Amino acid sequence: ETGVTQSPTHLIKTRGQQVTLRCSSQSGHNTVSWYQQALGQGPQFIFQYYREEENGRGNFPPRFSGLQFPNYSSELNVNALELDDSALYLCASSSKGDEAFFGQGTRLTVV
Amino acid sequence: KQEVTQIPAALSVPEGENLVLNCSFTDSAIYNLQWFRQDPGKGLTSLLLIQSSQREQTSGRLNASLDKSSGRSTLYIAASQPGDSATYLCAASSRYNFNKFYFGSGTKLNVKP
Repeated sequence: ETGVTQSPTHLIKTRGQQVTLRCSSQSGHNTVSWYQQALGQGPQFIFQYYREEENGRGNFPPRFSGLQFPNYSSELNVNALELDDSALYLCASSSKGDEAFFGQGTRLTVV
Repeated sequence: KQEVTQIPAALSVPEGENLVLNCSFTDSAIYNLQWFRQDPGKGLTSLLLIQSSQREQTSGRLNASLDKSSGRSTLYIAASQPGDSATYLCAASSRYNFNKFYFGSGTKLNVKP
């Protein structure tokens, strides 16, 4: 158990819809990062939040957005879903560049 | 930009064998190198973290090394067991954003009983 929890575990959405994924970070960790993992690939960095501010973004369009709350939990929002958005979405929490701990992920299927 | 490569992509070994997984990275301005295990459809489990000032880390049957000058890390698994079967991912973070990880595509390990 890493202490990082993600919800929901699985989700099916229709193309064009919007989705919100949630992550509770490990106690004491002030940094949350989101990753997208396509089948058979390594995770790709989406963005990172540090103390409620976006602190770095990968090569993802603006329809991928996020939030971090005062308790350091976080949301990933994806608008106008496309078929290629189908993937495992992973949340990682860390503090000051120490060991990163990942949640179990949310499997998103867009049909 | 950091690029991370893992070789081989897949590996099948008999139980009991010692094995080495390889990871290479392009940017020597590395902050941390972390090895993860991923079971099918699951999240990532942290195995070992090597900070840039360190050369290696050990945990049980696992030993990971880091050579910044050559841009390489290896994960050594001793006396492999069927329960070690999983995908192993290495990830490097940069000195310029040490919480952002660049991942390789992983090595899928199958340990046969």
